[in-house]
Amino acid sequence: AQSVTQPDIHITVSEGASLELRCNYSYGATPYLFWYVQSPGQGLQLLLKYFSGDTLVQGIKGFEAEFKRSQSSFNLRKPSVHWSDAAEYFCAVGAGSNFGNEKLTFGTGTRLTIIP
Amino acid sequence: EAEVAQSPRYKITEKSQAVAFWCDPISGHATLYWYRQILGQGPELLVQFQDESVVDDSQLPKDRFSAERLKGVDSTLKIQPAELGDSAMYLCASSFLLAGNQETQYFGPGTRLLVL
Repeated sequence: AQSVTQPDIHITVSEGASLELRCNYSYGATPYLFWYVQSPGQGLQLLLKYFSGDTLVQGIKGFEAEFKRSQSSFNLRKPSVHWSDAAEYFCAVGAGSNFGNEKLTFGTGTRLTIIP
Repeated sequence: EAEVAQSPRYKITEKSQAVAFWCDPISGHATLYWYRQILGQGPELLVQFQDESVVDDSQLPKDRFSAERLKGVDSTLKIQPAELGDSAMYLCASSFLLAGNQETQYFGPGTRLLVL
């Protein structure tokens, strides 16, 4: 069964500073990988996704993530954070099946706080 | 931009009462998911539909939870009777399948349930 580990429960970053959120996955084959963001009391918004090809993927809001098979990682990065980036970030892995992903397995999330 | 709709957004109920949540997926999306997200955790799949058929309900507590998608479009998730431990955010997601089994799930705003 697949699993996702987000080692950082809470990260605090100064506005304008760079950001990296860590994600490690466990899956026997090539995974489908996703990053979602959730503002308080809201649903999940897709930031970016990796299916195949270029291991550096670009997403919305200036985010990018890099798939590293050798490290089983899919870390999320942003060169300069804005106060509006404060939210909960979830990494997810999907397993391919006849119906697509079959199901997504999510990490426990990383809460991002931005300080002035 | 098309979105997944959910209602109600908030629901307060007493234990042993029945509650129901409604989800309207993005038009044309054949696959529909219900997730439960306990505070401080990532979403966990409850049930997956492909059109009107249940694909995966292995994590659905069937003694009290039921889900249907009668016409393969909108869906209802019901809890009867509700228990204190059911307090959580209930998220609906929908997706369509691209070539190569690539699938992206789009989430609704969720229904926040509080059981007293």
